[in-house]
Amino acid sequence: AQTVTQSQPEMSVQEAETVTLSCTYDTSESNYYLFWYKQPPSRQMILVIRQEAYKQQNATENRFSVNFQKAAKSFSLKISDSQLGDTAMYFCAFMKHPGGGSEKLVFGKGTKLTVNP
Amino acid sequence: SAVISQKPSRDICQRGTSLTIQCQVDSQVTMMFWYRQQPGQSLTLIATANQGSEATYESGFVIDKFPISRPNLTFSTLTVSNMSPEDSSIYLCSVGELAGNPYEQYFGPGTRLTVT
Repeated sequence: AQTVTQSQPEMSVQEAETVTLSCTYDTSESNYYLFWYKQPPSRQMILVIRQEAYKQQNATENRFSVNFQKAAKSFSLKISDSQLGDTAMYFCAFMKHPGGGSEKLVFGKGTKLTVNP
Repeated sequence: SAVISQKPSRDICQRGTSLTIQCQVDSQVTMMFWYRQQPGQSLTLIATANQGSEATYESGFVIDKFPISRPNLTFSTLTVSNMSPEDSSIYLCSVGELAGNPYEQYFGPGTRLTVT
């Protein structure tokens, strides 16, 4: 079974600074997807970024980027120029390659990020 | 991305009763998912609901407790039956989009259930 570990229960960062959230996972699969989701206090889960394991290039979405280390099974999220609206719980999630009913997301326990003014 | 709505957004229920949560999507999707998020915890998949077939439940979740309907490609319901305080959670539905795009899964706003 796949497991996802987020070792930082809480983090804080000053506005406009950069912060990195850690995520490691365990799997015997060779082809899979990794995701970062954001859950603000409103509780709406928002997809932040996606990485396909077969792609060597790290995904980026505006101020959000990942450092995907497949051999180390590590998938960290970097948030640049942090904004107050980035305050939220961040969940790392794993999914086997979609198809055949394998689209189950396995979530880590989350990291509570607070951006301070 | 798909737009997903859930009803009710929150409810307070008495133990022993049942609550049905609705999930509506603005486009046709093959697979819908129901997750539970217990207070201060991460999300756990309850079941996968495909239109025209029985829902597939994860270990620890049973149909008698969490019956699911999926009458068409845009709608699903989850019922929490014979509720106890331990069922107090946020229940979220999600949909997966695969056709023509790298796979992404989107979530509804959730239903906050409190059982007294």
